[in-house]
Amino acid sequence: AQSVTQLDSQVPVFEEAPVELRCNYSSSVSVYLFWYVQYPNQGLQLLLKYLSGSTLVKGINGFEAEFNKSQTSFHLRKPSVHISDTAEYFCAVSGSQGAQKLVFGQGTRLTINP
Amino acid sequence: DAGITQSPRHKVTETGTPVTLRCHQTENHRYMYWYRQDPGHGLRLIHYSYGVKDTDKGEVSDGYSVSRSKTEDFLLTLESATSSQTSVYFCAINGHGEQFFGPGTRLTVL
Repeated sequence: AQSVTQLDSQVPVFEEAPVELRCNYSSSVSVYLFWYVQYPNQGLQLLLKYLSGSTLVKGINGFEAEFNKSQTSFHLRKPSVHISDTAEYFCAVSGSQGAQKLVFGQGTRLTINP
Repeated sequence: DAGITQSPRHKVTETGTPVTLRCHQTENHRYMYWYRQDPGHGLRLIHYSYGVKDTDKGEVSDGYSVSRSKTEDFLLTLESATSSQTSVYFCAINGHGEQFFGPGTRLTVL
C-alpha cells in the first residue's frame, strides 16, 4: 500500500517569487508519481509525472519536480509564479504494476499575491 | 481532451434515495476508476474496474456499488444516499501510465 503526505495545506507567495510545494510518499513497491492541478470549480489536470528515467521531471506551465528515492520525496517547484498559478495542487502515487490505483495527498492551496 | 464524460454534472437528492452516476469514455481503455473529493482529504478511490464485469473495491467503498457492462461505461450507484456521501465525484481512465479525469459530478444529499 502507498501513502502520500503534502507537508503544507496552504502556501501564500508573491507574484514572480519562486515556490516549492512539498510531497513525501511511502510505498513498499516501485512507484509512479504525479502532480495534478485543480483550478477553482474545475477538474484535475496533470502537471507532470515520473514513471522512470531522469529524476528531474519537467511539466506544463514551467513547473518541475525532482524524484528523490532515498528521501521518498517528489517536491514541485517553479522559479517564478504568476497570478494564474493560483490553484490547488495534489501529489499522487501509484504502484507501477497492476491497476495503478492513485493515492492522493490532501492538497496544497497555492495563493499568489500581487 | 481524454474523451471522458460524466452525467449528471450536478444532482441534489434526499437521504435514502438511490442515485446512479455515469462515466463514459471514448478511448477504449481497460481501467476505469471512481474517486470522491472532499476538503482536507484530496481524492479517495471508491471502486475501480479492470474490464467488463471486472470490478474491485477501493479505500472508501462502503455504501457504493459499481457496474461495467460495456467497455465504455462505468456506473457508480449509491443504493441509499446519506448526507456523508455529499461530495464531488470524479471518474478516471488509465492510459500509458497516467490517469485522465472527467469533469466531475457534484452530488448533494439533503
